[in-house]
Amino acid sequence: DIQLTQSPSFLSASVGDRVTITCRASQDIRTSLAWYHQKPGKAPQLLIYATSILQSGVPSRFSGSGSGTEFTLTISRLQPEDFGGYYCQQIYIFPLTFGGGTKVEIK
Amino acid sequence: EVQLVESGGGLVQPGGSLRLSCAPSGFTFSAHYMGWVRQAPGKGLEWVGHIKNRAASYTTEYGASVNGRFTISRDDSKNSLYLQMDSLKIEDTGVYYCARSPHYGDFFDYWGQGTLVTVSS
Repeated sequence: DIQLTQSPSFLSASVGDRVTITCRASQDIRTSLAWYHQKPGKAPQLLIYATSILQSGVPSRFSGSGSGTEFTLTISRLQPEDFGGYYCQQIYIFPLTFGGGTKVEIK
Repeated sequence: EVQLVESGGGLVQPGGSLRLSCAPSGFTFSAHYMGWVRQAPGKGLEWVGHIKNRAASYTTEYGASVNGRFTISRDDSKNSLYLQMDSLKIEDTGVYYCARSPHYGDFFDYWGQGTLVTVSS
């Protein structure tokens, strides 16, 4: 199975900060990666798919990049509503797998 | 508007069985691959499995931790998705989400609100 390792597992940042989350795959997954945001007690929401394509309705401050085994999610200017968990998911091959998650706290 | 509504969660003893249902609306259910994702209390997301559409022969895929114990099925005539969970273990406790995959990838673009399954004696 493909393992996804996210870092950091926790980060605290201020409104307006630039935030970057990394997702590393245990083998080459081309660009078959998606990112989700989950607020406490709520279902996850799709942010980005195919590494860098923004899902409809997602603010442009979110962006994704990478290929192969290393990927990043960037929030250009953190907003109060961006707190919560962020998860990457590989869809290159079954079984599909998620990263362990990054919890984002607003200072 | 796309909606997914799960039901069937509850308290069950270890070794027992439970069947979850998901009622989709607002899109052509029969055309889409569908999946289940779970989340243990305070933990991250875990992919449970997928079921493809009729064109892909309703093929199913499962995560290693549930393979052989869980079965995903669908009834396109009733617009329903199911997750049959047998031989339940304490570590199966969590919120179970049904989710839809779009036509262009196996990720999930819409999610239900989740249903809680508690496995405890």
